[in-house]
Amino acid sequence: NAGVTQTPKFRVLKTGQSMTLLCAQDMNHEYMYWYRQDPGMGLRLIHYSVGEGTTAKGEVPDGYNVSRLKKQNFLLGLESAAPSQTSVYFCASSYSTRRGGKQYFGPGTRLTVT
Amino acid sequence: GENVEQHPSTLSVQEGDSAVIKCTYSDSASNYFPWYKQELGKGPQLIIDIRSNVGEKKDQRIAVTLNKTAKHFSLHITETQPEDSAVYFCAASISGGAGSYQLTFGKGTKLSVIP
Repeated sequence: NAGVTQTPKFRVLKTGQSMTLLCAQDMNHEYMYWYRQDPGMGLRLIHYSVGEGTTAKGEVPDGYNVSRLKKQNFLLGLESAAPSQTSVYFCASSYSTRRGGKQYFGPGTRLTVT
Repeated sequence: GENVEQHPSTLSVQEGDSAVIKCTYSDSASNYFPWYKQELGKGPQLIIDIRSNVGEKKDQRIAVTLNKTAKHFSLHITETQPEDSAVYFCAASISGGAGSYQLTFGKGTKLSVIP
């Protein structure tokens, strides 16, 4: 099992550009999450999904959109990147809480917006 | 919403000594408390977790304790080794949509184990 994988690993964008980050998991998890990690801030939840075709907002959703068209994939989109979105982005997945709910993280995508 | 405070922000210990990291949470409805270890350039790795119906849990050299009344929980690492050096994050959960865990993380503790 590859676990949780993220594409790309690094990216540099100019202000106003758009991009999509891809997360894939092969553990048949129902739930998937996107977090951002900033120095000294821990991890903050952006959006999450409890199943194919469903998404919900987390703590810091502004400026991001997500889609979950397939159970194994969760996409994070930035329509018009801003320097404040410079961060490391982590995807995670889990079973439902009834089956444990433990979240497993991918290796991260380091995004710089200039 | 939930707020998680984590202390200390940095911790240095001699190899073989114990390390303790403490967290407090604000929402009494939180019921799941995982701990993650993050090595440089990698994603967080779940190392141990505890649910609100349990006061203590051990896994080899790692243990977690939970005091629901005081709303605090702690990570204990015994017989520390250089490979324990990393950033450790605590988290507390509130119920999200369809029973998902929405984790609120502490700001992390950088543990350095000195050989």
